[in-house]
Amino acid sequence: ETGVTQTPRHLVMGMTNKKSLKCEQHLGHNAMYWYKQSAKKPLELMFVYNFKEQTENNSVPSRFSPECPNSSHLFLHLHTLQPEDSALYLCASSLGTSGSPGEQFFGPGTRLTVL
Amino acid sequence: GQSLEQPSEVTAVEGAIVQINCTYQTSGFYGLSWYQQHDGGAPTFLSYNALDGLEETGRFSSFLSRSDSYGYLLLQELQMKDSASYFCAVRDWQAAGNKLTFGGGTRVLVKP
Repeated sequence: ETGVTQTPRHLVMGMTNKKSLKCEQHLGHNAMYWYKQSAKKPLELMFVYNFKEQTENNSVPSRFSPECPNSSHLFLHLHTLQPEDSALYLCASSLGTSGSPGEQFFGPGTRLTVL
Repeated sequence: GQSLEQPSEVTAVEGAIVQINCTYQTSGFYGLSWYQQHDGGAPTFLSYNALDGLEETGRFSSFLSRSDSYGYLLLQELQMKDSASYFCAVRDWQAAGNKLTFGGGTRVLVKP
C-alpha cells in the first residue's frame, strides 16, 4: 500500500459511455498526476495538479477531462473514448516542490478497456 | 523536450549482478530517478540522483554522470522477486514540482 488508492481497478466501457476514474491520496501531498501506461510504451504524463491548480496538460485529447476538487482527490472524466485509449491509467502524488525530490507515490491503476 | 533510452530486456540468474543503463537528452535537468514495477503492480520509487556519483541502498545502487547524460541502476545478488520492469525518469528543472519524464522501461527476468 502506497497511500494512494484508485477506483475502479478495472473498467470496460463502450465508445459512447461516460465514466470517471477516482484517485485519493492519504499522504498529505500537494501535487497529483495522471499517467497513461500502454503496452510497450513509456509511462505518458497526462496532467499535473499543484495545490488543486492544473499546471500541466500534456496535449491530452479533450475526451479526457481532469478534475481536482482538493489536494487529496483527483478525477479523470472519460467520454466518447476510442479503442486506442485502452490502457492502464495511473494516478500518483508527491510533495511538489518540497520533500523527497524525484519521488512520486503511485496508485495501483485502473485497467481501462474501450470496446 | 526530453528523451530517455534504456534496454528493453535483460535476463540473468539468481545471485548475479545486472546493470541497467539509461541515457537521456533533456533541455533542463534536475535529477534521475529509478522505479520498479512488478507485473500488475504500481511503479515504486527506488532511488534519486541529483549529483554525480554512486548512491547505494542495500542491494540496489544508482549512478549518475551529468556530463555524460548517463546513469545506471545496479542490481546485486539478484533474487527471483527482482523480476520486474525498471524505469529511469528525468526530473526537469523547468517544470513545477516533481514532474518526471519516464523511459520505456527495462524488463528484468531472473532465472533460477
